[in-house]
Formats: sequence, structure tokens, C-alpha cells
Amino acid sequence: GAVVSQHPSRVICKSGTSVKIECRSLDFQATTMFWYRQFPKQSLMLMATSNEGSKATYEQGVEKDKFLINHASLTLSTLTVTSAHPEDSSFYICSARLTGAPRPDTQYFGPGTRLTVL
Amino acid sequence: QKEVEQDPGPLSVPEGAIVSLNCTYSNSAFQYFMWYRQYSRKGPELLMYTYSSGNKEDGRFTAQVDKSSKYISLFIRDSQPSDSATYLCAMSATSGGSNYKLTFGKGTLLTVNP
Repeated sequence: GAVVSQHPSRVICKSGTSVKIECRSLDFQATTMFWYRQFPKQSLMLMATSNEGSKATYEQGVEKDKFLINHASLTLSTLTVTSAHPEDSSFYICSARLTGAPRPDTQYFGPGTRLTVL
Repeated sequence: QKEVEQDPGPLSVPEGAIVSLNCTYSNSAFQYFMWYRQYSRKGPELLMYTYSSGNKEDGRFTAQVDKSSKYISLFIRDSQPSDSATYLCAMSATSGGSNYKLTFGKGTLLTVNP
């Protein structure tokens, strides 16, 4: 149980285009989902917290107009990187928190999406 | 000073060795401590979860937390080649509406050689 999927697993796009990444909790409901970014040999950095049915909360320094987050259902959150640039190339990982289990260890991570912007 | 410091390694050990991985932190509000394992190009997988100070054992893995020193450790006994991965420490403060946000260390790359 507690499986989180991400799609696509890898995407290559041209500079200036937009890319959408999906995060799904497959066998549980997640009121809260988190989006992280991980550069090579760096830590996971939280970008935003997404709550179903409400606006996402962005971390300091993350542009909300560039990284659009939609959490339309209890099993799906999407991250859209708008007008992508080469510096946006990174590994994007989502996690989903089991609804009704508000503990730090109930975040389940997806397999990540490798974004390369040419 | 970063909130969480972790030596990135790499760390290379022979099969069967005891591995010690460590993190230090500066935020005294952290009360929840976790260790994640991340294989190359995959998402993190929770290994150990500890609340406050003390030790916790699960099979070959032991997690230790020393809040007075702001220092946490993960020990792996009888290490196996399949343990080769990046190990990330993560910490969280009490809720208070914080959604239990996780702060990660950089991760230590471990290779266990057969």
C-alpha cells in the first residue's frame, strides 16, 4: 500500500515551453501533497505544499506564477513548469500525506520526474 | 549555517561492515527525525522514524538521536551490496499548522562492495 506515482518519469522540452507533471496517490487519499526539487548531489528542497481544494503554499524564493500547482482531487496534484528555462532542469519529486494521519512519517514519495530543458 | 548538515561522502565499505551515517542540525524545534534511502533516480523510501531522543532498532538498522548534541545517527549492521544507495536524514518540527514540513540533509552516497 501507500504507492505514489508520477508521470512522466522523464521529460525533455525546449526552452520557453510549459511542462506538466502529475502526482497520484494510487491506493490512498491524500489531502496534502508536497512538491520537492532535487539538484544533483543536493538535498531535496521543498517547493510548495498543496492542499486539496485550496491554493498551494509556496516556500520562500519559489515563484508561484512559474510553478503552477493544482490539487483538484484527493488523489491527484499537478505541477506545471511554465516557460521553462535550462536552469529549471532538475529532478522533481512529489510526496503525498495519508489523509487522517498528520505525522511526519506518513509522507510517501513518488519516483520523481527528471526534467531537462534544452 | 544550514539547518541540517550531512556529509555527502561518498562512503565505500566492504560487505558485512558496520556503517555509521550522521547528521547534525541547528534548529532546536526539530522533534521528529527520519532516515530515508534513495536509489539512483528514484524517490526516497522511509527507513526509520524516531520521535525525540533515544534509540530505535529495526532489523539491521539502528537510529540514534541525541537532542542535547543536535546529532542523529543511522547504523547499518552486516551491510549488503543491496544497501548501496544515498541515505538522507530528514527532520521536522512539531505541527502548529506547519504540516510537518520535512527538512532534508544532502544525503550520503554509500557503496557496499561485495
